[in-house]
Amino acid sequence: GAGVSQSPRYKVTKRGQDVALRCDPISGHVSLYWYRQALGQGPEFLTYFNYEAQQDKSGLPNDRFSAERPEGSISTLTIQRTEQRDSAMYRCASTHTEETQYFGPGTRLLVL
Amino acid sequence: GENVEQHPSTLSVQEGDSAVIKCTYSDSASNYFPWYKQELGKRPQLIIDIRSNVGEKKDQRIAVTLNKTAKHFSLHITETQPEDSAVYFCAASSLSGGYNKLIFGAGTRLAVHP
Repeated sequence: GAGVSQSPRYKVTKRGQDVALRCDPISGHVSLYWYRQALGQGPEFLTYFNYEAQQDKSGLPNDRFSAERPEGSISTLTIQRTEQRDSAMYRCASTHTEETQYFGPGTRLLVL
Repeated sequence: GENVEQHPSTLSVQEGDSAVIKCTYSDSASNYFPWYKQELGKRPQLIIDIRSNVGEKKDQRIAVTLNKTAKHFSLHITETQPEDSAVYFCAASSLSGGYNKLIFGAGTRLAVHP
């Protein structure tokens, strides 16, 4: 079946603009995670959803970052008033069980 | 919170040799340890994982060992092939609260030379 998909794959924006990144998990996967991966580093946890409930947002760097998953499927990560330091690869992952997480292709964000 | 250290950051081997990557973790409550392989420009993909109730797990040329007392775990790749070249990430989580908040190491870039 189809894997995790993300859009857009690349996003270039100017500092101060808002961006919305979309994640479409594997059908039927209850759990959805957002990670941020800087170049040359491992993924860094941002937030976790169980169905539509955001159960852990401890990794969101500051209040410019927010996420939602209103119908328990597609999720959107929004970054307001983007800054250059927000430039990174943003990945989501979904899982049916507790364990194996399947990652999406990521959205590469570049803030100029 | 959990912290995962990974070594070495780069590893170069000849085809057919073995490769070993080591990780240490700080949170004794961690009980799930996956390894991901990330090829250039691709997404991370799970290659093997281990839970804390076992000390070793093998899957063909790949094995993972876990030492809970010392809080370290290792990935072993035998008979390396050029297609094993990639960045490998270890991770740890406690599976508490019914979800899997993975804390990743910084990665090891493995190069296998023909």
